[in-house]
Amino acid sequence: EDKVVQSPLSLVVHEGDTVTLNCSYEVTNFRSLLWYKQEKKAPTFLFMLTSSGIEKKSGRLSSILDKKELFSILNITATQTGDSAVYLCAVELYIQGAQKLVFGQGTRLTINP
Amino acid sequence: DTGVSQDPRHKITKRGQNVTFRCDPISEHNRLYWYRQTLGQGPEFLTYFQNEAQLEKSRLLSDRFSAERPKGSFSTLEIQRTEQGDSAMYLCASNPGQKTYGYTFGSGTRLTVV
Repeated sequence: EDKVVQSPLSLVVHEGDTVTLNCSYEVTNFRSLLWYKQEKKAPTFLFMLTSSGIEKKSGRLSSILDKKELFSILNITATQTGDSAVYLCAVELYIQGAQKLVFGQGTRLTINP
Repeated sequence: DTGVSQDPRHKITKRGQNVTFRCDPISEHNRLYWYRQTLGQGPEFLTYFQNEAQLEKSRLLSDRFSAERPKGSFSTLEIQRTEQGDSAMYLCASNPGQKTYGYTFGSGTRLTVV
């Protein structure tokens, strides 16, 4: 069975701290790994990773994928209260010409002022 | 506005009633997905359509659930004889097709079964 596991499930830090969120996976027919941020409703796209070892960056957020060890990390530096959200990791599977996402449980990140 | 619209935003229903949700994807996206998300969990895949064809259904989707996308545009998800365990957020996402990663999610319909 395809499985995506995120850790920690919950994290509380102070504004300005750096955080690292983890995502490991065990799937067949891997195509890509995606990170989403979910505040109240719709998950919003952050990154898509397909190749090992290539860091993707967007402002204070960065992410990298290790396809040999089957995990990814999402780093947030100089955290702000607006970074408080649930961060979802999803693996895109490609099966017989079709693709879909399998999600982890999410990491609830709380940034205290 | 995320581009994927879902209606209604909230639905409260009594156990045993039928409910129907609607999703309008981004117009040029030929793939449409339904996911269910319960409190503290990530979204779980329910079903997906390519144009009007329903190509995959999760085993989570019992025979009380049915989804349609009659003209390859909007989709409906119906739950018959609702149970308290159906209470969840139902998310719709659309995607333009192969070789892209553009999964855009709607804001969801929150269902509460009382």
